[in-house]
Amino acid sequence: QLQLQESGPGLVKPSETLSLTCSVSGYSINNGYYWGWIRQPPGKGLEWIGNLHHSGGSYYNPSVKSRVTMSLDTSKNEFSLEVRSVTAADTAVYYCARQSLSMRDFDYWGQGVLVTVSS
Amino acid sequence: EIVLTQSPGTLSLSPGERATLSCRASQSVSDNYLAWYQQKPGQAPRLLIYGASNRATGIPDRFSGSGSGTAFTLTISRLEPEDFAVYYCQQYGNSPAYSFGQGTKLEIK
Repeated sequence: QLQLQESGPGLVKPSETLSLTCSVSGYSINNGYYWGWIRQPPGKGLEWIGNLHHSGGSYYNPSVKSRVTMSLDTSKNEFSLEVRSVTAADTAVYYCARQSLSMRDFDYWGQGVLVTVSS
Repeated sequence: EIVLTQSPGTLSLSPGERATLSCRASQSVSDNYLAWYQQKPGQAPRLLIYGASNRATGIPDRFSGSGSGTAFTLTISRLEPEDFAVYYCQQYGNSPAYSFGQGTKLEIK
């Protein structure tokens, strides 16, 4: 059964870099699909950050594009997110998810990890 | 940029009643790239509906989606206690490529 699990520091200082990894089990990230990140500030709605495909294509939300890098490690079957120059506004639960190629819905999600930006 | 507006913000109903949730887009959503998710406190969202009207795997048939263009609806025919949650719509289209509505909270009356 497909499972996704986020990991990374729960606390990041302002102006530093937030780094998260999503480990995928039960499915090879080489077998198609997009792999994406979505975040949710405490008590608020969902915001798409970006997604990428094993063929190399990556797409980012313009609101964070200048500060974000995503990458795939097919040897470890995982993908990663970096957000540079973080501020308190980046405090959120970060989810990784699989995204269908056909209708572009997010069909499998990780449980989420809370990242707090604070000194 | 396509903005999704969900209404109502909060819907108060009793188990057994019918729930109708609305999602309106500021521009036409191409090819019905519209999905619905359910989120319970402390949990990740769960996919309910994709392609505007297709139930995801394992989703009970009391959930149905309809609509096209700029107006979409999620209907829960007879509310069960486990259906009380927050519901989000999501579209794929113009920049940003993906966006979510602000959510509708379905609460027990």
